[in-house]
Amino acid sequence: AQSVTQLDSHVSVSEGTPVLLRCNYSSSYSPSLFWYVQHPNKGLQLLLKYTSAATLVKGINGFEAEFKKSETSFHLTKPSAHMSDAAEYFCVVSDGGSTLGRLYFGRGTQLTVWP
Amino acid sequence: SQTIHQWPATLVQPVGSPLSLECTVEGTSNPNLYWYRQAAGRGLQLLFYSVGIGQISSEVPQNLSASRPQDRQFILSSKKLLLSDSGFYLCAWSNSGARNTIYFGEGSWLTVV
Repeated sequence: AQSVTQLDSHVSVSEGTPVLLRCNYSSSYSPSLFWYVQHPNKGLQLLLKYTSAATLVKGINGFEAEFKKSETSFHLTKPSAHMSDAAEYFCVVSDGGSTLGRLYFGRGTQLTVWP
Repeated sequence: SQTIHQWPATLVQPVGSPLSLECTVEGTSNPNLYWYRQAAGRGLQLLFYSVGIGQISSEVPQNLSASRPQDRQFILSSKKLLLSDSGFYLCAWSNSGARNTIYFGEGSWLTVV
């Protein structure tokens, strides 16, 4: 069975400091993993995805994530937070065992960036 | 390039009234289509998905239904809304296959009063 756990429901950082949003997953198959960002009252925007190529994945807006199979983790990082990064972030795993590509969502991490 | 349009963006409806949310995708053929709901303080819940015209699968029993009258059109409906139907509804699409990325529309806020 597939599932995703986002370890922090809220993360607060100061502008210019590093960001770490943690995600652990379980999957019966070789998974595809995604991070999406959602700004208030908006749809979800893809930040980056891992699909069994390089384990360090670079995304938009300076974000990156590292797939660690031994730790079943896919943590999202950014070296220096910007005020515009304040949003909700979702870690997502895709069911690679079906033809549908069904997604399993974490419950989200709300990122607050202080000036 | 592919785009997804979803409307209306905001809707306030009385209990017992009907609902129709529409979603269209451009720039691709035979996409997988999805309706998700995001209730306040909760994650996303998959409501319906479709792998082709007229093919609808429901994930949860509820007051809602979905239809796919055309290849790139996906409609979410209800005959009689309940208060519990309030939430943020997101349409999404992907190319067919297990590892393709899912792309979301801008969402529709539904408030049932």
